[in-house]
Amino acid sequence: DSGVTQTPKHLITATGQRVTLRCSPRSGDLSVYWYQQSLDQGLQFLIQYYNGEERAKGNILERFSAQQFPDLHSELNLSSLELGDSALYFCASSAKRSSYNEQFFGPGTRLTVL
Amino acid sequence: GQQLNQSPQSMFIQEGEDVSMNCTSSSIFNTWLWYKQDPGEGPVLLIALYKAGELTSNGRLTAQFGITRKDSFLNISASIPSDVGIYFCAGQTQGGSEKLVFGKGTKLTVNP
Repeated sequence: DSGVTQTPKHLITATGQRVTLRCSPRSGDLSVYWYQQSLDQGLQFLIQYYNGEERAKGNILERFSAQQFPDLHSELNLSSLELGDSALYFCASSAKRSSYNEQFFGPGTRLTVL
Repeated sequence: GQQLNQSPQSMFIQEGEDVSMNCTSSSIFNTWLWYKQDPGEGPVLLIALYKAGELTSNGRLTAQFGITRKDSFLNISASIPSDVGIYFCAGQTQGGSEKLVFGKGTKLTVNP
């Protein structure tokens, strides 16, 4: 158990809908990262938050957004869903001590868009 | 964008054999990480490397951070059936975001 929790485990929805994925980082970790894993693209970085502030963006679509709350949990919002958004979405957290960046991953949310 | 070339893509070995896989990049990384992922689960961190030339072990696993900072390898000795899974390398570049760039993975199958 990495200490990172994600809910829900599975999500099935229809095209055009909006969903919210939730992540709670390991206790004490200030950084939260979101990654998307699909069969053709592999693991791709979406976005990072550090202590409530957006720190970096990757290949995140404009239809997607995220935020990190004062209690450090994070939510990833996916809207106007398309079939191609079906994937595993992972959250990871790290403590960011000096130059060390050991990211620990949650169990993921499997999103299926029908 | 940055890419990691991970090889081999898949391996089929007999229990007890040693395994080696590697990652190369055209970019310099200041951190290399190796993860293992089981089906339907999140990646689990196996080994983290922070210095060029560093050799680190974790049980039967040994990984090295290449001296050029552009490559890393992972060795598994005396493989066992529970080593089955997909192994990913990941790199972090100097400066800026701490995002990880992942290789495409090596799928390992161990025959008992």
